[in-house]
Amino acid sequence: QKEVEQDPGPLSVPEGAIVSLNCTYSNSAFQYFMWYRQYSRKGPELLMYTYSSGNKEDGRFTAQVDKSSKYISLFIRDSQPSDSATYLCAMSASAMGGAGGTSYGKLTFGQGTILTVHP
Amino acid sequence: DARVTQTPRHKVTEMGQEVTMRCQPILGHNTVFWYRQTMMQGLELLAYFRNRAPLDDSGMPKDRFSAEMPDATLATLKIQPSEPRDSAVYFCASGLKGAEAFFGQGTRLTVV
Repeated sequence: QKEVEQDPGPLSVPEGAIVSLNCTYSNSAFQYFMWYRQYSRKGPELLMYTYSSGNKEDGRFTAQVDKSSKYISLFIRDSQPSDSATYLCAMSASAMGGAGGTSYGKLTFGQGTILTVHP
Repeated sequence: DARVTQTPRHKVTEMGQEVTMRCQPILGHNTVFWYRQTMMQGLELLAYFRNRAPLDDSGMPKDRFSAEMPDATLATLKIQPSEPRDSAVYFCASGLKGAEAFFGQGTRLTVV
């Protein structure tokens, strides 16, 4: 079983829909949680970054972390065709600026969910 | 415009040839990662460096892969000899604090 599980989809929604993307994980040491967006033939682009549990909102995007359930979510409101991409969740147990250990900022990724928003 | 720069963007080579991929991390970032992305495995960590020192390269096949940071502005990933199963997109990423890593556009490697 992988440390991070993500439904690969594909997910197809009409423009304007609310999109919910999710990941579950098994490593209780994870405390940094990220969502990346990857367009076709491009590198992953950092979209949302959250430390520990809670919610974070940025425009149409909301990231939620529930450490007790080992479950993270990304919500996209008023989805647009330009949101069509692969969305990757990523997690880390330690920070790059931290002291001690050898896993500074090492990211473990989910498989990615392919999202298509059609006009 | 701070970004991670990778060269070449595309590489087609014959089996058995040496392949070198280069990465220029964002200026000031002291942590550099090499990831490989395939359809089957997704994004996998190959190696990473902090302040140019290798911290972990357990994700790399040691017999054919090597990663180095000759200086703070250059990271290299070499495959010698290359094999068809090495065909993938190789990403370099860099960061400084927290766990925010910023990715380059990748090198798409095809070994025939």
